[in-house]
Amino acid sequence: AQKVTQAQTEISVVEKEDVTLDCVYETRDTTYYLFWYKQPPSGELVFLIRRNSFDEQNEISGRYSWNFQKSTSSFNFTITASQVVDSAVYFCALSEVRTGNQFYFGTGTSLTVIP
Amino acid sequence: DAGVIQSPRHEVTEMGQEVTLRCKPISGHDYLFWYRQTMMRGLELLIYFNNNVPIDDSGMPEDRFSAKMPNASFSTLKIQPSEPRDSAVYFCASSLRGLAGTGELFFGEGSRLTVL
Repeated sequence: AQKVTQAQTEISVVEKEDVTLDCVYETRDTTYYLFWYKQPPSGELVFLIRRNSFDEQNEISGRYSWNFQKSTSSFNFTITASQVVDSAVYFCALSEVRTGNQFYFGTGTSLTVIP
Repeated sequence: DAGVIQSPRHEVTEMGQEVTLRCKPISGHDYLFWYRQTMMRGLELLIYFNNNVPIDDSGMPEDRFSAKMPNASFSTLKIQPSEPRDSAVYFCASSLRGLAGTGELFFGEGSRLTVL
């Protein structure tokens, strides 16, 4: 079974629109970590955020915000006023302490911001 | 500070040849991971090391793949013999873990392998 599901394969938005990338995870652990990574066209994977399972506070960093809801096992990522430079593939990931801190990545959402 | 360093960035080889990919993790990081990324399968964990010891190699596709970490600052992923289906981007990542919990993975820029 897929531990991290990113149902949106591809999204296209026009510049300055807001966009939300969905992430749903599955775990039996009480202690786990959630991550978002960005992979721009150049190919490298860039860390964006880490959230532990005990901290459900939403986080905002500039135009980026994250909504963590344990009740729905979701960790969604919103980009406000999108820009062309936001075009990339975004990966959500789960790490469970019980299973030795392995990272489970979703299949990624490809975001295209149209100027 | 230097990040995770991988070499080569690009490798084109012929089927049957041996391929060696190299990785230098971030100094002080005690975990090292090898991932493979393809369009069909996304990011797959191949193997990871803790303090130079392989912990889980269940993701290694078959015996043609092997990985070593002779010391804390160097790891190799070897494919012998290579096949066209091995064509992918191979990422190395390192992480600092501890009692505080899971640290984020820091990825190298990847090695793009093409097997003809």
